[in-house]
Amino acid sequence: SQTIHQWPATLVQPVGSPLSLECTVEGTSNPNLYWYRQAAGRGLQLLFYSVGIGQISSEVPQNLSASRPQDRQFILSSKKLLLSDSGFYLCAGEWGGNQPQHFGDGTRLSIL
Amino acid sequence: GENVEQHPSTLSVQEGDSAVIKCTYSDSASNYFPWYKQELGKRPQLIIDIRSNVGEKKDQRIAVTLNKTAKHFSLHITETQPEDSAVYFCAASYGQNFVFGPGTRLSVLP
Repeated sequence: SQTIHQWPATLVQPVGSPLSLECTVEGTSNPNLYWYRQAAGRGLQLLFYSVGIGQISSEVPQNLSASRPQDRQFILSSKKLLLSDSGFYLCAGEWGGNQPQHFGDGTRLSIL
Repeated sequence: GENVEQHPSTLSVQEGDSAVIKCTYSDSASNYFPWYKQELGKRPQLIIDIRSNVGEKKDQRIAVTLNKTAKHFSLHITETQPEDSAVYFCAASYGQNFVFGPGTRLSVLP
């Protein structure tokens, strides 16, 4: 089965600090991978998706970036966090067309 | 690109009643329509999905209907229970293009 691992579960960071959130995937190789952000009580905002190693598509211009150094590893980064970066960050994977996305447990990021 | 609308944004029902959530999409190329349930502080979890070659699918108390001509699909929950209270998201997909609706907060009142 396909499993998405995310860590940490919660993170508190000061404004201006860097960020690195990691997502790793178990299961069949070559998934499409996604990073979403969810503000409290709101919907899922797609940030980045990747169809393969080194291939990143950005949906929203911001101070965040993503990388996929390995097939089963997807990293979300920032050099300098803003207050507006607070939220619930979810990594998801999808294996082939007409298949569901499977989500990790998410990271709740608070910026102080 | 694809645009998915979802209604209502909030829905309150009495325990035992039915709940219906409706979604419309814009891209006729979309051919896969999953529904997710997200409990407070948790990840979204797939509850049911439907593909474009099917008009209806049922799984116990949950059913989904799809009208490709009108480009809308609906989630039906019968005999609602308090544990059905959550936020529900629909999505429309074609290939790696996955677009979620804004969500519906369902409250089941005991």
